[in-house]
Amino acid sequence: DGGITQSPKYLFRKEGQNVTLSCEQNLNHDAMYWYRQDPGQGLRLIYYSQIVNDFQKGDIAEGYSVSREKKESFPLTVTSAQKNPTAFYLCASSIRSAATNEKLFFGSGTQLSVL
Amino acid sequence: GENVEQHPSTLSVQEGDSAVIKCTYSDSASNYFPWYKQELGKRPQLIIDIRSNVGEKKDQRIAVTLNKTAKHFSLHITETQPEDSAVYFCAASRSTGFQKLVFGTGTRLLVSP
Repeated sequence: DGGITQSPKYLFRKEGQNVTLSCEQNLNHDAMYWYRQDPGQGLRLIYYSQIVNDFQKGDIAEGYSVSREKKESFPLTVTSAQKNPTAFYLCASSIRSAATNEKLFFGSGTQLSVL
Repeated sequence: GENVEQHPSTLSVQEGDSAVIKCTYSDSASNYFPWYKQELGKRPQLIIDIRSNVGEKKDQRIAVTLNKTAKHFSLHITETQPEDSAVYFCAASRSTGFQKLVFGTGTRLLVSP
């Protein structure tokens, strides 16, 4: 069963703590993305990766970090520098990143809350 | 950079009525405009998209129109059904290089039986 999997579904962060959200895909997609979804604000791009071992900042990268050591995996770390981390986080992938626009496949999301 | 505005934020219709959601964009170089549907508690899914070389695209009960001059595009849903109830997001991007979609703020559509 192919798809994109995010875990955990719910995550709680204590003040000063870093937390990592997992995103795995078995679609053999080159590009992967992290979006943040806040009520009334749509989806905002945090980071994206077009290929293994390469990633770029999106529009709201401050307080976040990522890695892309494997094609299948694109974990997002929410650091203590992110002062307002409570949001719904969506991971997505697409077949290729360049030349043409293509359909995004989304994961089911992780709801992060601050304790 | 690109900015996408979406209206209305909420839309309530009776089953069988039509629904229209409108978006405007700021970057005249944008040429790809997808629409995503997010049902409650589920992941967003692409329902239709349009490129700037066409003015309209239809897929059964849904259609998207694009006015490049005015820089706006719209989603039209005819004969609405309760299962159309969801949040709809429009987006825009350039096709050159990386696909960096900029999303609208979403429209919550409620279709009442």
